[in-house]
Amino acid sequence: DTEVTQTPKHLVMGMTNKKSLKCEQHMGHRAMYWYKQKAKKPPELMFVYSYEKLSINESVPSRFSPECPNSSLLNLHLHALQPEDSALYLCASSQDEIGGRSSYEQYFGPGTRLTVT
Amino acid sequence: ELKVEQNPLFLSMQEGKNYTIYCNYSTTSDRLYWYRQDPGKSLESLFVLLSNGAVKQEGRLMASLDTKARLSTLHITAAVHDLSATYFCAVFAYPSAGGTSYGKLTFGQGTILTVHP
Repeated sequence: DTEVTQTPKHLVMGMTNKKSLKCEQHMGHRAMYWYKQKAKKPPELMFVYSYEKLSINESVPSRFSPECPNSSLLNLHLHALQPEDSALYLCASSQDEIGGRSSYEQYFGPGTRLTVT
Repeated sequence: ELKVEQNPLFLSMQEGKNYTIYCNYSTTSDRLYWYRQDPGKSLESLFVLLSNGAVKQEGRLMASLDTKARLSTLHITAAVHDLSATYFCAVFAYPSAGGTSYGKLTFGQGTILTVHP
C-alpha cells in the first residue's frame, strides 16, 4: 500500500474560520511533509516532520500550524487565513527524511483544494 | 538560493515524435527527482536519480543526470496522448547557510506537455 490520504478534498473557509487539514499514511514512513501549490506553479515546501518532530519550517506564517500526533498522521491547522492562501495543499511522506545517502521517494497525497473567501 | 530551471515550459508534440525536457540547477546536488502531475491531480513519482551518469527508463520516458553539468534530461520517445501532463523536476540540496543538517526538494517551474494526434 503506497497510499497517502488527505481530507477533505475541498475546503471553502472564511477569513475568520478555523479549520484543519488531515493527512494519513500507513506505510510506516517516518517523514511527512506539507507543500502548498498555487495554480500553474510548482509545489513549495512548508513543513517537514521527521520522527514526529518538526525539522523544517520554511518561514511559514503562524496562521498555518502543523501538528504530528503520531507517525501516521499529520495535521495542518488553519486560522485567520487570507484569500492569497487559496491553493492546493499537498501532503507527502517518505520512508525517512530524504538526505544523506538515502534515496527515499516522496509519495504525495491527492491534495486538499482550499479556497479562502 | 538554489534555482531549478526547466525548459521548455510549454511543449506541444505530435504523437510518435521524440523530444527532451531539460532541468538545470544552480548548486551541487547528486539527487534529482522527476514527477508527473495531471490537471487537478497530485504528483506521481517517475524517477529518482542518485548519482552522476544515472539513467533510468520506464516505458517511453528516460531520465538521466549529469551532476557535473548540473543538468538532468527527460527524454520522451514516440509520444502518445496519454503522456500529456505537467512534468516537474525537483533537486535535493542543503541550504547554503545556517549549518542545518536538513535538506529539501526544490522544484522546477514545470513543463506542460501536450501531445496531439
